Amino acid sequence: NAGVTQTPKFRVLKTGQSMTLLCAQDMNHEYMYWYRQDPGMGLRLIHYSVGEGTTAKGEVPDGYNVSRLKKQNFLLGLESAAPSQTSVYFCASRQGSVRDSNQPQHFGDGTRLSIL
Amino acid sequence: QKEVEQDPGPLSVPEGAIVSLNCTYSNSAFQYFMWYRQYSRKGPELLMYTYSSGNKEDGRFTAQVDKSSKYISLFIRDSQPSDSATYLCAMSAVGNQGGKLIFGQGTELSVKP
Repeated sequence: NAGVTQTPKFRVLKTGQSMTLLCAQDMNHEYMYWYRQDPGMGLRLIHYSVGEGTTAKGEVPDGYNVSRLKKQNFLLGLESAAPSQTSVYFCASRQGSVRDSNQPQHFGDGTRLSIL
Repeated sequence: QKEVEQDPGPLSVPEGAIVSLNCTYSNSAFQYFMWYRQYSRKGPELLMYTYSSGNKEDGRFTAQVDKSSKYISLFIRDSQPSDSATYLCAMSAVGNQGGKLIFGQGTELSVKP
């Protein structure tokens, strides 16, 4: 069972470069999320999606864009990378609707991104 | 002030010790309380989940919620070196758009043999 798969696992970028992080889930989940994790800050929500073709801003959306063209994939884009975006990025997915707030989120193993 | 506060540690205990991990929160709308465990270089995985107040036990793990004090705890009995990880509390309100979770900062736990 693959669950939530993130690619790439590691990446080093130069300031100003762009890149796309890919998240794929095989659990037919409706909801998907992108977080960043920084020391002492916990997990902070960047963007999320409640279904194919939908996206919404989270707590720290600036400098990022997302797309959910297919239900199983959620892409996170950095148009012009900045050193402040050096972080570990996690994708998660969850089944259910707004009524199912108790459903757990399932996480991938992260993408470690360094921006020089 | 953050919505969820968690002591980041690090916390180091000898094998067999009882471990207590705690979070406080400010939003009285939170009804779902979760504990995630995160091993080094891995994603978080759900460990315990409780709804509203009360206790829940699963093997060596017990989760407690005290809504009147806005305080949740995770107890680990007979701790093992394999319990060494970062523990994250997470919370959500009923009906929140998108099922968003609010996470604590995480507590790094090390269990020494």
